[in-house]
Amino acid sequence: NAGVTQTPKFRVLKTGQSMTLLCAQDMNHEYMYWYRQDPGMGLRLIHYSVGEGTTAKGEVPDGYNVSRLKKQNFLLGLESAAPSQTSVYFCASSYSVERQSYNEQFFGPGTRLTVL
Amino acid sequence: RKEVEQDPGPFNVPEGATVAFNCTYSNSASQSFFWYRQDCRKEPKLLMSVYSSGNEDGRFTAQLNRASQYISLLIRDSKLSDSATYLCVFKTSYDKVIFGPGTSLSVIP
Repeated sequence: NAGVTQTPKFRVLKTGQSMTLLCAQDMNHEYMYWYRQDPGMGLRLIHYSVGEGTTAKGEVPDGYNVSRLKKQNFLLGLESAAPSQTSVYFCASSYSVERQSYNEQFFGPGTRLTVL
Repeated sequence: RKEVEQDPGPFNVPEGATVAFNCTYSNSASQSFFWYRQDCRKEPKLLMSVYSSGNEDGRFTAQLNRASQYISLLIRDSKLSDSATYLCVFKTSYDKVIFGPGTSLSVIP
């Protein structure tokens, strides 16, 4: 099993450009999450999904959109990138709350994004 | 007050030492508590959950103090491979997960 994978691993954008980050998981997890990690601030939740076709806002959703058309994939979009979006982006997945092991989140390797 | 606070360190300790980290939280509705480990430029991984009665996993001991609203992680007989950043994490519900900024540990030969 590959676990959680993310593409791309690195990207440099110019201000105003758009891009999509792809997250895929092969563990049949119901929940998926997108976080950003900045120095000294910890991981902050951008958006999350509790199932195929459903998404919800997290702590810092502005400037991002997401879609979950398939259970195994969770896409994060930046419509018009800004330098403040320079960060490391992590995708994670977990089982649903009904399952005893739902507390553990499994993370992808991250995407390092720089916006110039 | 911040929702979660951790001493960022770095903690520099010799091999074989015992080291302890604390993490304080402000949300009294927090229900679940965890420690994650993150190696340099890698993704976070679950180290252990923190139970009300305290729990131990080998050289690692985690404790929860609800009255004072903090959790702790104790590492005994530190190894070089323990060098990493340790993140405290707590949940108030399935959609409210708070990660601390992390405490950096370097174990020195």
